[in-house]
Amino acid sequence: DAGITQSPRYKITETGRQVTLMCHQTWSHSYMFWYRQDLGHGLRLIYYSAAADITDKGEVPDGYVVSRSKTENFPLTLESATRSQTSVYFCASRRGPGSDEQYFGPGTRLTVT
Amino acid sequence: GQQLNQSPQSMFIQEGEDVSMNCTSSSIFNTWLWYKQDPGEGPVLLIALYKAGELTSNGRLTAQFGITRKDSFLNISASIPSDVGIYFCAGLLTGTASKLTFGTGTRLQVTL
Repeated sequence: DAGITQSPRYKITETGRQVTLMCHQTWSHSYMFWYRQDLGHGLRLIYYSAAADITDKGEVPDGYVVSRSKTENFPLTLESATRSQTSVYFCASRRGPGSDEQYFGPGTRLTVT
Repeated sequence: GQQLNQSPQSMFIQEGEDVSMNCTSSSIFNTWLWYKQDPGEGPVLLIALYKAGELTSNGRLTAQFGITRKDSFLNISASIPSDVGIYFCAGLLTGTASKLTFGTGTRLQVTL
């Protein structure tokens, strides 16, 4: 049971480059989420998706783009990376109505130089 | 964004001791979740609480959903070295599109 996986686990990129972080879950959960975790700010929601082709902004969406063409995948794209986007990114999923439990992936540590 | 207040912020305890931490909010929640995060890893769900007053256990962990729905408590009995990590609470209000509000975290360190 693979659960929820993220790739890559570590990424270094340059300012201005486009980078995509991948998230894949094997549970067929309806909801998927992207968070960033920074010292002093805790976990902040970037985008979430209630189902394939349905996405919505979270607390800090600027500079990020998401898509969800398949239930199991929820990629996060930084269109033009900035140093302020250096962070640890976590993907999470939730089964759907009737269950509030969110399960997190192992994270991607992104450094923008 | 809002963060829930967790206390204590950090604690050093000796192996075998019991640990208590709590999480408070100015808003009510319908669900409380407790997570543990190890360095370099994602948060792992420990316990989910769905009803005011509910007491739920998971091994040596026991969590309670406060009667006022504005707080929650986590207890760890007979701590062991692998309990080291950061513990987060998270609250969810039904109808908020699954948006969790997270606590500030309690860092637990266990000495032998």
